[in-house]
Amino acid sequence: QVQVVQSGTEVRKPGASLKVSCKASGFSFTGHYMHWVRQAPGQGLEWMGWINPKSGDTNYAPKFQGRVTMTRDTSVSTAYMELSRLTSGDTAVYYCARETGSGSTTRRLDPWGQGTLVTVSS
Amino acid sequence: DIQMTQSPSSLSASVGDRVTITCRASQGIGDYLAWYQQKQGKVPKLLIYAASTLQSGVPSRFSGSASGTDFTLTISSLQPEDVATYYCQKYNDGLWTFGQGTKVEIK
Repeated sequence: QVQVVQSGTEVRKPGASLKVSCKASGFSFTGHYMHWVRQAPGQGLEWMGWINPKSGDTNYAPKFQGRVTMTRDTSVSTAYMELSRLTSGDTAVYYCARETGSGSTTRRLDPWGQGTLVTVSS
Repeated sequence: DIQMTQSPSSLSASVGDRVTITCRASQGIGDYLAWYQQKQGKVPKLLIYAASTLQSGVPSRFSGSASGTDFTLTISSLQPEDVATYYCQKYNDGLWTFGQGTKVEIK
């Protein structure tokens, strides 16, 4: 069964950092880019970036450049998203999602993780 | 950066109605567009990719089309279980930007 399972709820204080994990199973972890998307309460989906688990290459949305770091550990088929210098505006549900598709136009995100609720509050 | 503008931001329609949601790219993106459905409190679900290819298992009342920089998601006959927010997402240049979302409700 193809799935990605994320780590649990987190609470952080402003200025702190956060690291969310995303464990893949049922497919070749190094054969698929992994993306991170977040959703603030009552807001839309916001794409944060991707990591190529095979090479470690990353591509971040401009908004998060300098504050986000995506890494992976191929030995445990897990991707990580670390976000630093947290503010209340980073309170959101964070999702990881597998990129799939055999051609450039057929790429898509499926499946998605269950989401990780992150609350930033003093 | 290429912007994705969805319209309307919300709509209310009757069961059985034909519903159309539009997503406009600020520049050409080819067919590099997907649509996702997100029900309240749930994980987003892929509906359509490559502008018009239906994801396996998605009901055939959902369809997608493209005309230049305009993309359309159509629900041919709205069902109660289609109440959700729908998002487009482009992926032509390494930046996978989402539209703002369209909330669909039953009248």
